[in-house]
Amino acid sequence: SQQGEEDPQALSIQEGENATMNCSYKTSINNLQWYRQNSGRGLVHLILIRSNEREKHSGRLRVTLDTSKKSSSLLITASRAADTASYFCASGMRGGYQKVTFGTGTKLQVIP
Amino acid sequence: DAGVTQSPTHLIKTRGQHVTLRCSPISGHKSVSWYQQVLGQGPQFIFQYYEKEERGRGNFPDRFSARQFPNYSSELNVNALLLGDSALYLCASSLDSEKLFFGSGTQLSVL
Repeated sequence: SQQGEEDPQALSIQEGENATMNCSYKTSINNLQWYRQNSGRGLVHLILIRSNEREKHSGRLRVTLDTSKKSSSLLITASRAADTASYFCASGMRGGYQKVTFGTGTKLQVIP
Repeated sequence: DAGVTQSPTHLIKTRGQHVTLRCSPISGHKSVSWYQQVLGQGPQFIFQYYEKEERGRGNFPDRFSARQFPNYSSELNVNALLLGDSALYLCASSLDSEKLFFGSGTQLSVL
């Protein structure tokens, strides 16, 4: 089963605009990660935020984490056509091993 | 350094057959995880192996099995294939069991 759900399921914006994706998860986590997937192939790790962190930046990416609400958001600023992809949040949990469980994904389209 | 490599890239099988998918992790990575991704959904966790031992298993039937070899490469086996097994199978390796590095996947079609 999916650990998280993402909102919106699909997002279409103009190049240069900001894109915000939200993720909710169900159980306690060790960390929350975001991945990107182009054209249904392999996923690429974007950023990891630990459960004791509230905000993290990496280039044009900003991630927030609210453990009280079991939610996270990914902001992509100044979007580019090349950002068109599916974005997945993934919760990392410890339980004898590090299990990474993915959400349902947001399909982002950036229109040039 | 080479990334995670998976073979084959595409595979067509018929119901009832058996399939073996292969994965070579990034050099130095001792953890390998397998995921199944059905079209339009997120990847679903199947197995994790670390140092040749199974560390975790997702909610998949016993038709699914895997193993990890001394060189940390891994195989995923699926017996008695069903139409519903059609999916993209992703392998990921990890150095610290947190950040995952994915291969490009094997697209399995069951007819």
